[in-house]
Amino acid sequence: DVKVTQSSRYLVKRTGEKVFLECVQDMDHENMFWYRQDPGLGLRLIYFSYDVKMKEKGDIPEGYSVSREKKERFSLILESASTNQTSMYLCASLPRGGGQPQHFGDGTRLSIL
Amino acid sequence: QKEVEQDPGPLSVPEGAIVSLNCTYSNSAFQYFMWYRQYSRKGPELLMYTYSSGNKEDGRFTAQVDKSSKYISLFIRDSQPSDSATYLCAMRGNSGGSNYKLTFGKGTLLTVNP
Repeated sequence: DVKVTQSSRYLVKRTGEKVFLECVQDMDHENMFWYRQDPGLGLRLIYFSYDVKMKEKGDIPEGYSVSREKKERFSLILESASTNQTSMYLCASLPRGGGQPQHFGDGTRLSIL
Repeated sequence: QKEVEQDPGPLSVPEGAIVSLNCTYSNSAFQYFMWYRQYSRKGPELLMYTYSSGNKEDGRFTAQVDKSSKYISLFIRDSQPSDSATYLCAMRGNSGGSNYKLTFGKGTLLTVNP
């Protein structure tokens, strides 16, 4: 079974802090994704990466950056956290070729105070 | 028109009922269709995964895709209280790069009452 692990289930940070969310997958997948999920808005793609050191913006990249130094790890960075970034953050992975579904981690519920 | 439309519910049914969940979409490039189940405070869990048109059955769950109508459905037979969750439809295109991005419906909240 694919396992996608997000390092924190719950996180509370202060406005202006730099925040790191970590995601690790154990299936040697080339593609990894970061989404945020908000009531009434559903899941929206922030960034994705199709290989080490490669990244592409999703639908809502503003205020975020990402890092993929190793194949198994994809980090989401909030450069200067703001209250409107309070959300549920979900990481997913997918193998090259894409003939399989994305598998998700359990999410990080982030609160910015 | 939104790319993917899904009735948010909430939907409340008695135990044992047949549940029908639906999504419509506008992008004819979508080729892969998924249904995810999400319990409160958990990540989405894959239920069904289909490519192009047709039906797929897995236990009490049946997924249908009608590409000519741009309409997908998930049926749950003999529904159980443990099926109470939010159900998300998701879909994407066929080739790589940005086509791997999933487009989600907003989810339907289902409650199955004992």
